[in-house]
Formats: sequence, structure tokens, C-alpha cells
Amino acid sequence: AQSVTQLGSHVSVSEGALVLLRCNYSSSVPPYLFWYVQYPNQGLQLLLKYTSAATLVKGINGFEAEFKKSETSFHLTKPSAHMRDAAEYFCAVSTGGADGLTFGKGTHLIIQP
Amino acid sequence: NAGVTQTPKFQVLKTGQSMTLQCAQDMNHNSMYWYRQDPGMGLRLIYYSASEGTTDKGEVPNGYNVSRLNKREFSLRLESAAPSQTSVYFCASSQTFPSSYNEQFFGPGTRLTVL
Repeated sequence: AQSVTQLGSHVSVSEGALVLLRCNYSSSVPPYLFWYVQYPNQGLQLLLKYTSAATLVKGINGFEAEFKKSETSFHLTKPSAHMRDAAEYFCAVSTGGADGLTFGKGTHLIIQP
Repeated sequence: NAGVTQTPKFQVLKTGQSMTLQCAQDMNHNSMYWYRQDPGMGLRLIYYSASEGTTDKGEVPNGYNVSRLNKREFSLRLESAAPSQTSVYFCASSQTFPSSYNEQFFGPGTRLTVL
């Protein structure tokens, strides 16, 4: 069975500062990893995905994440936060096949002006 | 393309009432999913359908039933609603064959309140 841990249910950064959202996973087989973003009262939108190609993955809106097998981590970063980045962020893992994704509990990103 | 659509967007039920949440996708995906989202809990899988004609239980299936009506449509039924089923419900779809990494596309959600 796989699991996902997101450290910090709330993260607050100043506009223009670095964004770092942490995700650690547990999986018995090589995982596929995803970051989704949820804006208020909306569905989930894919930010980026790791599918066993390059370990540094670039996504939409200037976000990127690095897969580190030795640390079982897939942290999400953005060099400079913008007010529009305020949202809920979810890390998810899949072991392939048609089973559902396993999600972390989410991190609410707050951007201070 | 509309992607994944869900109806209704909002619903209020009384305890014991029944209802069906509808989901449709126009991306020709073979797999479909129902999740519920509760504060501080992330998304939890209720049921999924790997392909037309099959359904399987997820992490939290109790109190729910599903029907994969055809390749496009996957419905979720609450036979006797309980306050514990107050939640936001998301439908998702994915092309899991031949691709295996299961990138899922989500609908806008249904906000359900059970009084």
C-alpha cells in the first residue's frame, strides 16, 4: 500500500518569496507522483507529474518539483510567489494501473502581500 | 471538450433520503473514479471503475453504490443519506490503458449537505 505525507497543513509566504511545499511518499513499487492545485470552490487541476523520466519536473504557473528516491520526496517549489498562487495543494501517488490515486491531506498556501 | 462534468453542483438532503450523483466524461477515458473531500482529510476514494462493466471498492465505500452506465458515465448513489456523508464529491477520469501512470482529470464537484 502507498501513502503520502504533506508536512504543514498551512504554509504562509510573502509575495515574491520562495514557495516550498513538502511531500513525502511511501510505496512498495516505483511510484508515479502528482501535484494538484485546488482554487476555492473548484475542482482539482494538475500542476505537474513525475512518470519516471526526468527527476526535475516543470509544471504550469512556474512550479516545479524534484523526485528524490533516496529521500522518498517530491517537494513542490516556485521561486517567487504571486497572490494568485493562494490555493490548496495536494500531492498524490499512484503505483500504476487503474487503482485510484492516494492523496496527501493537502497544504493551504497563504500569500501575504 | 467539456472534460468531466458533474450534476448537481449543490444538494441538501434530509437523513434517510436517497439521491444519485451523475458524472460524465467526453475524453474517451476507460477508467472513472469517485472521491469525497473532507476538511483536513484530503481526497479519499469511494469507488472506481477500471473499465466499462467493472466496478471496485475504494477506501470508503460504505453507504454508497455505483453504476458504470457506459464508457462515458459513472454514477454514485446514496441509498439512505446520513449526516456523515456531508462532503464534497469529485468524479475523475483517466486513460489507464495503454498508459499506466493514471493521470486523473477532475470534475468541478458536488457539495452535498445531509441534515
